[in-house]
Amino acid sequence: EVQLVESGGGLGQPGGSLRLSCAASGFTFSSNWMHWVRQPPGKGLVWVSRINSDGSSTTYADSVKGRFTISRDNAKNTLYLQMNSLRVEDTAVYYCAREVARGWYFDLWGRGTLVTVSS
Amino acid sequence: DIQMTQSPSTLSASVGDRVTITCRASQSISNWLAWYQQKPGKAPKLLIYKASSLESGVPSRFSGSGSGTEFTLTISSLQPDDFATYYCQQYNSYWTFGQGTKVEIK
Repeated sequence: EVQLVESGGGLGQPGGSLRLSCAASGFTFSSNWMHWVRQPPGKGLVWVSRINSDGSSTTYADSVKGRFTISRDNAKNTLYLQMNSLRVEDTAVYYCAREVARGWYFDLWGRGTLVTVSS
Repeated sequence: DIQMTQSPSTLSASVGDRVTITCRASQSISNWLAWYQQKPGKAPKLLIYKASSLESGVPSRFSGSGSGTEFTLTISSLQPDDFATYYCQQYNSYWTFGQGTKVEIK
């Protein structure tokens, strides 16, 4: 089955760190650019970061630049988001999403993992 | 940064109604626009890409139109499964979503 499954969410302290994972299956993971998108409680979708297919190029939203790091392990079919210097406003459901090859839009999403930042 | 503005924020409709949602971009994005459907507690689902191309498996009652800065998503005959929140997304320059339109039962 073609799917993305996120994990690693939970309660984080302000100033602390969390690492999210997204396990891909059912498709050739190494062929696709991948993204993280977040959704604060009761709010809309916000793009966070993207990584190209071999991991050599990354881009971040200004709100997370310098604090979050996106990476991937194509041998393990897994995408990561290292979240440092957490802020209360980082509280959200985090989704990983697959970008259509040479398409720039997202055709496959995971079910998300909730990150709550609170003291 | 390109801003995306959807209207209305909430729409009340009945089964069988024709429903139209509008999305406006703060600058021209050509036809680099997608529409997604999201139900509570679920991941977004791709409906339309490149402004008017229907994703495989999506019912034909969904259609998209527009180019430049103004776009619409139309549901020709609203079905019970269509009550959800809809988001537009531009991918002309990075990626930005609209704030969402909730379609609720009238």
